[in-house]
Amino acid sequence: DQQVKQNSPSLSVQEGRISILNCDYTNSMFDYFLWYKKYPAEGPTFLISISSIKDKNEDGRFTVFLNKSAKHLSLHIVPSQPGDSAVYFCAASARGGGADGLTFGKGTHLIIQP
Amino acid sequence: DSGVTQTPKHLITATGQRVTLRCSPRSGDLSVYWYQQSLDQGLQFLIQYYNGEERAKGNILERFSAQQFPDLHSELNLSSLELGDSALYFCASSVAGSDSYGYTFGSGTRLTVV
Repeated sequence: DQQVKQNSPSLSVQEGRISILNCDYTNSMFDYFLWYKKYPAEGPTFLISISSIKDKNEDGRFTVFLNKSAKHLSLHIVPSQPGDSAVYFCAASARGGGADGLTFGKGTHLIIQP
Repeated sequence: DSGVTQTPKHLITATGQRVTLRCSPRSGDLSVYWYQQSLDQGLQFLIQYYNGEERAKGNILERFSAQQFPDLHSELNLSSLELGDSALYFCASSVAGSDSYGYTFGSGTRLTVV
């Protein structure tokens, strides 16, 4: 039973355009959401997060949107750059419930084409 | 270099054997998390230690165990290995015991069971 789903295994976007990565979750106890980026042969790196009390969080070229009623979040990267090519993982946590450990999706491989 | 050190980077062993994976957390971090990434799977949370004590358990098999030592390094012990245990094993650390935001991942240990 996958509680965090990233339904697109891969996504190809032209350099300079917007990249939109999507993530759906099923557990209504999740109250904190994160995006991690992973290059080959490296561990995941924290990118951006959002609390369930917000619907948007922005950090430079990266914006995360949260739609709690739809249990959906998305990561927007504008403009996309070649260095953004990586696997992006969506993760969720039920921090308010005192639980530890993140629940990850399977990842989306983003390819930025020149 | 993320500051989280995992050794060894690669490990090849036979079915039925036992291995130990080691993790040194980032300086100042008290919490260590272990994750497993199998082929086509997202990162699965295994177990968390905080300042030497087990804090949370995820999908960790009974054949697997972990501990965190007084110097805060952690070891993940995998025994009676099966082919399906072949995966990337990541360690992450954070400052506090329930701080999903502050995860820093190591570069992982790739375990191959033959």
